[in-house]
Amino acid sequence: GAVVSQHPSRVICKSGTSVKIECRSLDFQATTMFWYRQFPKKSLMLMATSNEGSKATYEQGVEKDKFLINHASLTLSTLTVTSAHPEDSSFYICSASGAYTDTQYFGPGTRLTVL
Amino acid sequence: GEDVEQSLFLSVREGDSSVINCTYTDSSSTYLYWYKQEPGAGLQLLTYIFSNMDMKQDQRLTVLLNKKDKHLSLRIADTQTGDSAIYFCADGGSGRGSTLGRLYFGRGTQLTVWP
Repeated sequence: GAVVSQHPSRVICKSGTSVKIECRSLDFQATTMFWYRQFPKKSLMLMATSNEGSKATYEQGVEKDKFLINHASLTLSTLTVTSAHPEDSSFYICSASGAYTDTQYFGPGTRLTVL
Repeated sequence: GEDVEQSLFLSVREGDSSVINCTYTDSSSTYLYWYKQEPGAGLQLLTYIFSNMDMKQDQRLTVLLNKKDKHLSLRIADTQTGDSAIYFCADGGSGRGSTLGRLYFGRGTQLTVWP
């Protein structure tokens, strides 16, 4: 149980375009989803926390207009990187936790490369 | 915010035990976690320990918690080449207020197992 998927696993896009990444909890209802960014040889940086049906809470320094997060249902959250630039290239990982547990289950990650 | 520190590298021979250490600063932490990340993949929850426990064992994994010293360790018995990965220590915070649901990660320890 507690499986989280992400789609796509890898995406390459041109500078200036927008990219949407999906995060799904497959076998449980995720009341809270988290979006992380991981730089090479660095730890995970929390970007935002989203609760189903409400606006995401962004961490300091994360541009909410650039990284749009939607958590429309208990099984799906999306992260849209708008007007992507090469510096947005990174590994993006989502995690999800249910109503009765604080444990976070992570997706497999999405490798974004902006040319 | 909470600080979590880990050594960055550990090398062991196949069949030996591995011990990965972690220190944290939040004395009110309720849960502490160990995650494993293989190359190009997301994070896999290995185990966790509640703050009122000193030790937890799960097959080849043993977690030791010294709450007084805010020190957490993960011991992997009979380490195999398939255990080579990055291991992240994560502090679940106090679970209240601004830390609710958040995880604070160390930078990860790269474990290399030599045959």
